[in-house]
Amino acid sequence: GQQVMQIPQYQHVQEGEDFTTYCNSSTTLSNIQWYKQRPGGHPVFLIQLVKSGEVKKQKRLTFQFGEAKKNSSLHITATQTTDVGTYFCAGENSGGSNYKLTFGKGTLLTVNP
Amino acid sequence: DARVTQTPRHKVTEMGQEVTMRCQPILGHNTVFWYRQTMMQGLELLAYFRNRAPLDDSGMPKDRFSAEMPDATLATLKIQPSEPRDSAVYFCASGSSWTAYSYEQYFGPGTRLTVT
Repeated sequence: GQQVMQIPQYQHVQEGEDFTTYCNSSTTLSNIQWYKQRPGGHPVFLIQLVKSGEVKKQKRLTFQFGEAKKNSSLHITATQTTDVGTYFCAGENSGGSNYKLTFGKGTLLTVNP
Repeated sequence: DARVTQTPRHKVTEMGQEVTMRCQPILGHNTVFWYRQTMMQGLELLAYFRNRAPLDDSGMPKDRFSAEMPDATLATLKIQPSEPRDSAVYFCASGSSWTAYSYEQYFGPGTRLTVT
């Protein structure tokens, strides 16, 4: 079955440093989504990427979708303590409309003030 | 501010008891998902529905878990009998899938289940 691998598993940074998490799928994706889960909370949708090579920005967050639509990344510039949480990528398989997402294990980001 | 609601928020029960979790998806969403989250396994998809029809429940232990959607405003997940290894946070999520692929999923607050 489809697998979505995410690295690193954990990342601790000083406030102001940059952060990147990477996501790789074993299969070609129709789209990829990113979610953030604060400690004790639930996953919250951040963004969806659909096109090959797509890049989207949300303030300090930059999301990329690979040319082959099998990998993606999330980069945060100048982290803040409010960025703390687990970031998940979730991919939907291409080649058939099954509407389900396969989530990566997530990257837990902690920020030292 | 539309949101997914789940009840109960917390449940502590003894092994062997039946557990029922309920979810009210966002009005107008046609896809409903049940996930289980543990530290070891992360977010696992248990079952999901589209237009109230079950599409896939291959992630569920069939002998003890069942998921239903009796109407568009209610989805249920039952465990009978419950076991300690079922202890986890169970999330319901809803979304729209009117095109060839799905859009974002909106997660409920989760039910934290502890089976002793």
